[in-house]
Amino acid sequence: EAGVAQSPRYKIIEKRQSVAFWCNPISGHATLYWYQQILGQGPKLLIQFQNNGVVDDSQLPKDRFSAERLKGVDSTLKIQPAKLEDSAVYLCASSLDEGEAFFGQGTRLTVV
Amino acid sequence: AQSVTQLGSHVSVSEGALVLLRCNYSSSVPPYLFWYVQYPNQGLQLLLKYTSAATLVKGINGFEAEFKKSETSFHLTKPSAHMSDAAEYFCAVSGGGGFKTIFGAGTRLFVKA
Repeated sequence: EAGVAQSPRYKIIEKRQSVAFWCNPISGHATLYWYQQILGQGPKLLIQFQNNGVVDDSQLPKDRFSAERLKGVDSTLKIQPAKLEDSAVYLCASSLDEGEAFFGQGTRLTVV
Repeated sequence: AQSVTQLGSHVSVSEGALVLLRCNYSSSVPPYLFWYVQYPNQGLQLLLKYTSAATLVKGINGFEAEFKKSETSFHLTKPSAHMSDAAEYFCAVSGGGGFKTIFGAGTRLFVKA
């Protein structure tokens, strides 16, 4: 079974630039999550999709972050414009129900 | 509302010694509880999960955890540490059905030879 795929693995951008991350969940998983993991901290949920609808985006900084999951399969997360404090690993995960989540390897973003 | 507290950001044990990583949770509904492990530059891998069946849960790599409702705890243990167990461990709680999964801050496990 293929796992959760994320790209790119690493990204370095200057502040005020924009960046986008892509995630392809495990086939058949209806629930998709984006987490932000700042160095030394646990993952923080940014947004949760059920199929192509948003279940929870209460911790998504909507002035600069956006996410979509067209057709209820893969998803993109965008940051525009980026700030220094956005430097983190962005983890995508998917699950069949809302129990066990399977994680991708993450995208490490460095904003300079 | 749900939350997770992991006691101790760093734990150091000798190889062959008992591993005990502590996790306490709060949840407004019966919880689902998880332990994940994260190796450097990797995503999170599920070690074990509790979903309201047996209170003693066995996971991969010899780890187990016990759900204690009265103590709102879900501590992770392993009888004998191995060097390969050195990693970051995260406890997480979910309420299922519309509730998001909340992670603790993590505990880094060091294993000394």
